[in-house]
Amino acid sequence: NAGVMQNPRHLVRRRGQEARLRCSPMKGHSHVYWYRQLPEEGLKFMVYLQKENIIDESGMPKERFSAEFPKEGPSILRIQQVVRGDSAAYFCASSPPDRPEAFFGQGTRLTVV
Amino acid sequence: SQKIEQNSEALNIQEGKTATLTCNYTNYSPAYLQWYRQDPGRGPVFLLLIRENEKEKRKERLKVTFDTTLKQSLFHITASQPADSATYLCALITSGTYKYIFGTGTRLKVLA
Repeated sequence: NAGVMQNPRHLVRRRGQEARLRCSPMKGHSHVYWYRQLPEEGLKFMVYLQKENIIDESGMPKERFSAEFPKEGPSILRIQQVVRGDSAAYFCASSPPDRPEAFFGQGTRLTVV
Repeated sequence: SQKIEQNSEALNIQEGKTATLTCNYTNYSPAYLQWYRQDPGRGPVFLLLIRENEKEKRKERLKVTFDTTLKQSLFHITASQPADSATYLCALITSGTYKYIFGTGTRLKVLA
């Protein structure tokens, strides 16, 4: 059973471009979470999704950021018109529908130049 | 205000000793509390979960306690090894939500 898969592992974007981060949850997991981590800081909750539904997006900036988890395919975190302050590690986690344990991917490190 | 606090200073211990890490929280009523390990440049790795009605959980050399009166969880690594050196994160989930709130982590260094 493969773990949570995130890609790309590293992403470099120029200011103003779009960044798309992908996350495939573990098999059988229907809950997906996105977190952001700055150097020497903790993980900050961004959004929690179930298939085709956003359950809680209270941690996500209202502008430029969006997330989806379609019926088929990976979950996508999209950042439009990136700015230098968006540079961070973005982690995805998944959990099964009936258990609280969350398992993380290796993250995507976004660098905005 | 709501807070989850872990000792921000690094913890250095000698190999073979027991490492004890602390997670304190205020203004939360967690249903679950989890501990993770994170190595530099890697994603957090799930270690243990403890429920609000459990006092203690063990897994191999790891032990977690959960005191809802003190609002504190302790994470112990017995017979510590240099390979245990990492940052350890606690995370809690409150009832009725699936949002995991993380502490900032404690860096553990086990000296050979």
